[in-house]
Amino acid sequence: SQKIEQNSEALNIQEGKTATLTCNYTNYSPAYLQWYRQDPGRGPVFLLLIRENEKEKRKERLKVTFDTTLKQSLFHITASQPADSATYLCAPRGGSQGNLIFGKGTKLSVKP
Amino acid sequence: NAGVTQTPKFRILKIGQSMTLQCTQDMNHNYMYWYRQDPGMGLKLIYYSVGAGITDKGEVPNGYNVSRSTTEDFPLRLELAAPSQTSVYFCASSYSISGAHEQFFGPGTRLTVL
Repeated sequence: SQKIEQNSEALNIQEGKTATLTCNYTNYSPAYLQWYRQDPGRGPVFLLLIRENEKEKRKERLKVTFDTTLKQSLFHITASQPADSATYLCAPRGGSQGNLIFGKGTKLSVKP
Repeated sequence: NAGVTQTPKFRILKIGQSMTLQCTQDMNHNYMYWYRQDPGMGLKLIYYSVGAGITDKGEVPNGYNVSRSTTEDFPLRLELAAPSQTSVYFCASSYSISGAHEQFFGPGTRLTVL
């Protein structure tokens, strides 16, 4: 069955450093992969989408890579700030109808 | 635009009671979804709809029902509440179902079944 793994439940880093979050998927090859941010008590908010034919996508301090050979996506936040503290969800396209499948998320804490 | 709105924000139910979670979107999206999120777990798809009058089961549909009479509204019905349905429920909508477009989420409904 299709499986999504975000291999860190929690990541603690110092302000100004680069945060790198990992998303691995198995048993399928998604055509798209999305990343969302979720703050406590709120719904997820879309950040970035990357297609299978794209190696890398950037938006301001955010960068996403998509390695279809390794079946892995990396999500980077450069020059991290305490305001970046949140849970980040990986969501590759999957399912019988092409729905998104969400990972459990990685909780990022950026310390001043 | 209000985006995706959900009511109520919180609800406590007794075992066996019924309720409807309301969801409305004003973006004219054909695709709408209901997810549940348990602590430490990812979002699980309950039901989704590709347009008015068309719904389909997701990964965890048991104990729930949906309807889609208009493009804007996608209510989720719990007929006989059970403690296992204690969760946070999110409604979402999108322009397409292919994964090529973002999903817009509502603020969630926190449901406790005692």
